[in-house]
Amino acid sequence: AQSVTQLDSQVPVFEEAPVELRCNYSSSVSVYLFWYVQYPNQGLQLLLKYLSGSTLVESINGFEAEFNKSQTSFHLRKPSVHISDTAEYFCAVSDRGDTGRRALTFGSGTRLQVQP
Amino acid sequence: ETGVTQTPRHLVMGMTNKKSLKCEQHLGHNAMYWYKQSAKKPLELMFVYSLEERVENNSVPSRFSPECPNSSHLFLHLHTLQPEDSALYLCASSQDVNGYEQYFGPGTRLTVT
Repeated sequence: AQSVTQLDSQVPVFEEAPVELRCNYSSSVSVYLFWYVQYPNQGLQLLLKYLSGSTLVESINGFEAEFNKSQTSFHLRKPSVHISDTAEYFCAVSDRGDTGRRALTFGSGTRLQVQP
Repeated sequence: ETGVTQTPRHLVMGMTNKKSLKCEQHLGHNAMYWYKQSAKKPLELMFVYSLEERVENNSVPSRFSPECPNSSHLFLHLHTLQPEDSALYLCASSQDVNGYEQYFGPGTRLTVT
């Protein structure tokens, strides 16, 4: 079964500093990779995704993530964070489970706290 | 209305009550999901529906009963819940069950007293 590890439960960072949120997964066979963001009292919103093609994917608000097959990682980065980026970030991996049907597995989340 | 909506947004119920959570998606998707989000735990997938047929039930207690009358609506019927069932219940939908991105509603914050 797929497992997704987000090693950092909390990441405090100052405004305008760079940040990296780490994500590792267990199985790299035919995976799709996602990052979701959850603002307080809201549901999850898709931030970016990797399905195929270029291993570097970007979001509209300056985040990027790189699919690294050899390291089974999909770390999320932003060169300069804003106060408004404060949220919970979830990594998710889709692969074919025992039923042959694709299933989405979420990590436990990383709380990004941007300080002025 | 756009996207995925959930009602109510907040619910407080006693252990002997019966209540229902409602989810509606306006995206023309064929798959819908219920998740449970508890503090300091990963999202737990509860149920998956594809074209109104339940295709996955992840060992969820029978006090949670899902219903999918059509591909746009999903309900979660609750009865005789326990305090540990207090959580944020999220509904999501996707084009189909084959693992493309899921779109989430805002959730229902449930408190069981």
